[in-house]
Amino acid sequence: EAGVAQSPRYKIIEKRQSVAFWCNPISGHATLYWYQQILGQGPKLLIQFQNNGVVDDSQLPKDRFSAERLKGVDSTLKIQPAKLEDSAVYLCASSPTTETQYFGPGTRLLVL
Amino acid sequence: AQRVTQPEKLLSVFKGAPVELKCNYSYSGSPELFWYVQYSRQRLQLLLRHISRESIKGFTADLNKGETSFHLKKPFAQEEDSAMYYCALRTASKLTFGTGTRLQVTL
Repeated sequence: EAGVAQSPRYKIIEKRQSVAFWCNPISGHATLYWYQQILGQGPKLLIQFQNNGVVDDSQLPKDRFSAERLKGVDSTLKIQPAKLEDSAVYLCASSPTTETQYFGPGTRLLVL
Repeated sequence: AQRVTQPEKLLSVFKGAPVELKCNYSYSGSPELFWYVQYSRQRLQLLLRHISRESIKGFTADLNKGETSFHLKKPFAQEEDSAMYYCALRTASKLTFGTGTRLQVTL
């Protein structure tokens, strides 16, 4: 089966600019996650969707980060405006229920 | 709040030597623990989970609730085991990851 797809793979922007990431989960997976992985750290959950509803967004910095999962399939994560500390790899994962999570390749963001 | 600690950033062993990657957790409830692995230029993937009590690629991990540990072990390291390993704790449906340990297997 096709895995989780993410785009772009790399993005370089200047601080205060906006950026958006896209994720296409494995077909049929109801749950979708966005993680932020800063260099030298483990992935940190930003937001979890169950179909098109938000289950957990307690660690999402809502003043600048937003995410949506229209129609319960693809998802986008947006940062507006970006800060230097947002430089990280953004991982998308999906799972059929809440069991094993399947990760995408990630988007590496560098904010200058 | 839940926390996962992996005390070693880097573990370097010789091929054929035993491997033990340490993981300690703090959580007041009943834990579900996992090991994820990321090989070079590949995506993060599940290695094993404590519920399954299985051996994957020669690796095993036993949950020790008394010591709040879930160490990953392999009796004889292989070159292909070189990777980044993350211990993770699941509460509800949320995964909390440790900072990871890079395992380097040398000849």
